[in-house]
Amino acid sequence: SYVLTQPPSVSVAPGKTARITCGGNKIGSYSVHWYQQKPGQAPVVVICSDSDRPSGIPERFSGSNSGNTATLTISRVEAGDEADYYCQVWDRGSDHPVVFGGGTKLTVV
Amino acid sequence: QVQLRESGPGLVKPSETLSLTCTVSGVSISGHYWTWLRQPPGERLEWIGYAHDTRDTIYNPSLKSRVTVSLDTSKNQFSLSLTSVTAADTAVYYCASLIFDGKSHHFDFWGQGILVTVSS
Repeated sequence: SYVLTQPPSVSVAPGKTARITCGGNKIGSYSVHWYQQKPGQAPVVVICSDSDRPSGIPERFSGSNSGNTATLTISRVEAGDEADYYCQVWDRGSDHPVVFGGGTKLTVV
Repeated sequence: QVQLRESGPGLVKPSETLSLTCTVSGVSISGHYWTWLRQPPGERLEWIGYAHDTRDTIYNPSLKSRVTVSLDTSKNQFSLSLTSVTAADTAVYYCASLIFDGKSHHFDFWGQGILVTVSS
């Protein structure tokens, strides 16, 4: 089945920009969704279909996808952004259509 | 406002069957896809399966032989049954809605999750 690879951790200072990557073979041909998961809470979708921001998600969150890498960008990082972030794609036609990355722990230092 | 809530036992003995229910409010489950996912402690999210009242039910191939996801439209609930559980099935189990946004499928509404521990 399709494999998505994320860095285990990313650290960023408050007010700076965080970039979390999600790698996959020709991932640019898929639509990538990003979820934020804070400790003890369910995931929340922050970016869907590469770059669409659901209602209620701050404009500081943006996404891009091309080639073999999709990127979640968080601008002007705040302490409240500290969480695990997961990428997900839908592998249409596969018997395992739902694929998640391993997750990235964003630490605001 | 769509809300989902998981319910069921938090402790299951090895070799027994794990049974969970997800109660949905704010929308009818008819005509939509509903799914179960899980997350073992410290590990990534894992999709278990999804169901629709008029379309095929699809399961994760690695769990297919042990899993059943079913819908009860009269109660606006859907359920998960996982047989022959082992310690490897210990996880937080989430129910969620699966939607197609015009380009792809993703999970938009989630339950709060329920920790199920498999232990004697």
